[in-house]
Amino acid sequence: AQKVTQAQTEISVVEKEDVTLDCVYETRDTTYYLFWYKQPPSGELVFLIRRNSFDEQNEISGRYSWNFQKSTSSFNFTITASQVVDSAVYFCALRMDSSYKLIFGSGTRLLVRP
Amino acid sequence: NAGVTQTPKFQVLKTGQSMTLQCAQDMNHNSMYWYRQDPGMGLRLIYYSASEGTTDKGEVPNGYNVSRLNKREFSLRLESAAPSQTSVYFCASSEKTHRSGYTFGSGTRLTVV
Repeated sequence: AQKVTQAQTEISVVEKEDVTLDCVYETRDTTYYLFWYKQPPSGELVFLIRRNSFDEQNEISGRYSWNFQKSTSSFNFTITASQVVDSAVYFCALRMDSSYKLIFGSGTRLLVRP
Repeated sequence: NAGVTQTPKFQVLKTGQSMTLQCAQDMNHNSMYWYRQDPGMGLRLIYYSASEGTTDKGEVPNGYNVSRLNKREFSLRLESAAPSQTSVYFCASSEKTHRSGYTFGSGTRLTVV
């Protein structure tokens, strides 16, 4: 079965702290794609990153970085020097090469306090 | 650059009423989807349409029907609304290739009383 687990329901940090959001996935497919989406208080879903199963290179985009480890089936997301505008719900998602479906985790609500 | 457009943004229904949620995309995407979002449960797939002329059930299809009217439009119908269908509904579209993510609409907040 395919599944995405985001064990952290809510995280609260003070501005400028670093924070890591965890994502663990399950799939038997050898080819799959992992995603992170951001849902700010306004409610829309914003695409952040896609990773395919053959590319374990970590990626950095400004204050955001992603750590993909196939050995532990994890795709964690780190925000460095967090800002109040980072407050949102973050979703990790999985899509197998054999399926059209995007499977979401339950999300992690991040609150960044000034 | 509209992307995915959903209407309405908000709706209140009485139990037993019917309604159709509309979705249109202008990115020439082949695949379209309807998800519902409930607190603590992430997004769950209701129905999807891999390409024009086809529709398939997702994880939670009961109580819903869909129509892929053409390549651009994919509607979701509640024939007899129930309080359990109170949720935020998102429409999304994607390219046919599996590596692509989804582009989401802004959502419809539906309350059934």
